[in-house]
Amino acid sequence: AQTVTQSQPEMSVQEAETVTLSCTYDTSENNYYLFWYKQPPSRQMILVIRQEAYKQQNATENRFSVNFQKAAKSFSLKISDSQLGDTAMYFCAFMSRETSGSRLTFGEGTQLTVNP
Amino acid sequence: EAQVTQNPRYLITVTGKKLTVTCSQNMNHEYMSWYRQDPGLGLRQIYYSMNVEVTDKGDVPEGYKVSRKEKRNFPLILESPSPNQTSLYFCASSLTINQPQHFGDGTRLSIL
Repeated sequence: AQTVTQSQPEMSVQEAETVTLSCTYDTSENNYYLFWYKQPPSRQMILVIRQEAYKQQNATENRFSVNFQKAAKSFSLKISDSQLGDTAMYFCAFMSRETSGSRLTFGEGTQLTVNP
Repeated sequence: EAQVTQNPRYLITVTGKKLTVTCSQNMNHEYMSWYRQDPGLGLRQIYYSMNVEVTDKGDVPEGYKVSRKEKRNFPLILESPSPNQTSLYFCASSLTINQPQHFGDGTRLSIL
């Protein structure tokens, strides 16, 4: 079974600065997806960014980018030019492309606070 | 507007009183899933459905039932709720199993 670990329960950053959230995972599979989801106080789950394991190039979405290290099974999220609206709980998640019947396995979450 | 709709958003009830949380999506998605979110545990999958009449257990299925009689609906049923099922529940859907999932706004259940 896959596991996803986020070792930082809480983080804070000053507005306009850069912050990196860590995520590690454990799997024996070679073909999978990794995601970062954002959950603001409204409780909605919002997809931030997605990475396909077979792609070596790191995914980017505007101010959000990932550092995907497949051998190390690490998938960190970098938020540049942090904004107050980035304050949220961030979840890292894993989805297999190999096993039949798919599920998202989530990490425990990191609460990010952006300070003015 | 493309969305996943859950009802109710909030519910307080008592142990043993059967309840159903509805989930409906208007995107013609094949894949639907239920999660529960608990502090320090992230989201854990309860059940999922690959298509109509096809459902399977996730990581924490005990105490829950689901059905998928129509493509758009995927209700979560608690036949005899217990306090340990107090949680925040999310329904999600995606076009196919390997596409990013769209989440509903969540249902806060409190079982007394």
